[in-house]
Amino acid sequence: GENVEQHPSTLSVQEGDSAVIKCTYSDSASNYFPWYKQELGKGPQLIIDIRSNVGEKKDQRIAVTLNKTAKHFSLHITETQPEDSAVYFCAASREDDKIIFGKGTRLHILP
Amino acid sequence: DGGITQSPKYLFRKEGQNVTLSCEQNLNHDAMYWYRQDPGQGLRLIYYSQIVNDFQKGDIAEGYSVSREKKESFPLTVTSAQKNPTAFYLCASQPPHGGEQYFGPGTRLTVT
Repeated sequence: GENVEQHPSTLSVQEGDSAVIKCTYSDSASNYFPWYKQELGKGPQLIIDIRSNVGEKKDQRIAVTLNKTAKHFSLHITETQPEDSAVYFCAASREDDKIIFGKGTRLHILP
Repeated sequence: DGGITQSPKYLFRKEGQNVTLSCEQNLNHDAMYWYRQDPGQGLRLIYYSQIVNDFQKGDIAEGYSVSREKKESFPLTVTSAQKNPTAFYLCASQPPHGGEQYFGPGTRLTVT
């Protein structure tokens, strides 16, 4: 079955700098790659997703890149702000199948 | 106002008691999921259901049970057989043909 590895587990960046979180997946048939943000004591919320027919997607300060050959995908947050502090999860799935999540990255934005 | 709700937000039980966590959605989604989250850990799948009256075990189903009698509801029972039940429990639903899962706010269960 699918296995998703996520790095780093903890990341601290200075406010205004960029943050990058990387994930790898094992199932070459996976074609949907969402990223979720979880604030303390709340459920995760989707922030951006990408399908395997595109290599990059951007939404304001966040972007996701996908390398299908290497089975890598990454989340990029630019101009980080205090409200970006949270736990971020990457995930992968095949069409119509359950989503497999990475173990999460705790992002700290330092003042 | 569409969404997915879980109740209660906090739940306390004594060891040896069964407890049922509620999950309701009015998004008309067929698929629903239960995850367990421990401090500093990712999301581990307990059970999922892709259609009414049908459900499958996830990675950590032992000590848990579910039912799916209605499309809107997917309650999770934590039984006394679950060795370490204290955790944060998340319910999610998903529209047909996959894609984004919508999460509820979670229930924090403490068993002493």
